[in-house]
Amino acid sequence: DAKTTQPNSMESNEEEPVHLPCNHSTISGTDYIHWYRQLPSQGPEYVIHGLTSNVNNRMASLAIAEDRKSSTLILHRATLRDAAVYYCILKGRGSTLGRLYFGRGTQLTVWP
Amino acid sequence: DADVTQTPRNRITKTGKRIMLECSQTKGHDRMYWYRQDPGLGLRLIYYSFDVKDINKGEISDGYSVSRQAQAKFSLSLESAIPNQTALYFCATSVRAPTGGRGTDTQYFGPGTRLTVL
Repeated sequence: DAKTTQPNSMESNEEEPVHLPCNHSTISGTDYIHWYRQLPSQGPEYVIHGLTSNVNNRMASLAIAEDRKSSTLILHRATLRDAAVYYCILKGRGSTLGRLYFGRGTQLTVWP
Repeated sequence: DADVTQTPRNRITKTGKRIMLECSQTKGHDRMYWYRQDPGLGLRLIYYSFDVKDINKGEISDGYSVSRQAQAKFSLSLESAIPNQTALYFCATSVRAPTGGRGTDTQYFGPGTRLTVL
């Protein structure tokens, strides 16, 4: 599976938008971009995924660059509960073992 | 009620003891996974099972074994625990996506088991 690069940490104030970047310059044409997050003392939680077009759901939006070499997870109004480690993961049709490759992710701190 | 449950949530044991961690799910998913997480690191895959009769090793299976007793239950055993198996252990489930192959299936994680081996 192709690898991703994320900043180690980011900070935001409550109720402000947050843009979490992810670089994936070696992405292949069949790789989907997934985002998971892990709240303190909990298991990872699925957030969103996409292939080429931008995606929205109740949790977040995913903006995918036209060349697909980068993407951005957008939290429209950060809350204290959004403080977590956010993982950007690529999964292809032939994804090895069906697994998810978790890198170190981005630690998001949200200030009240 | 949680869809994916793990027991116990915390366990402290001694070197050489046999330990079993259990995972149950009510999501009706056919695929189940065991991961471990070490401090400051991402998750690594130990074993996975795509159905009751299908068990496969992940990237770090040495020292571990698993049993898929039913579609809903997947247990992880440490035959003889050692201190470097101290970690957080997560069970996850997924269902095969109708399209897009493994690229689109999403995984649902349990709350984790914190295991300490002294």
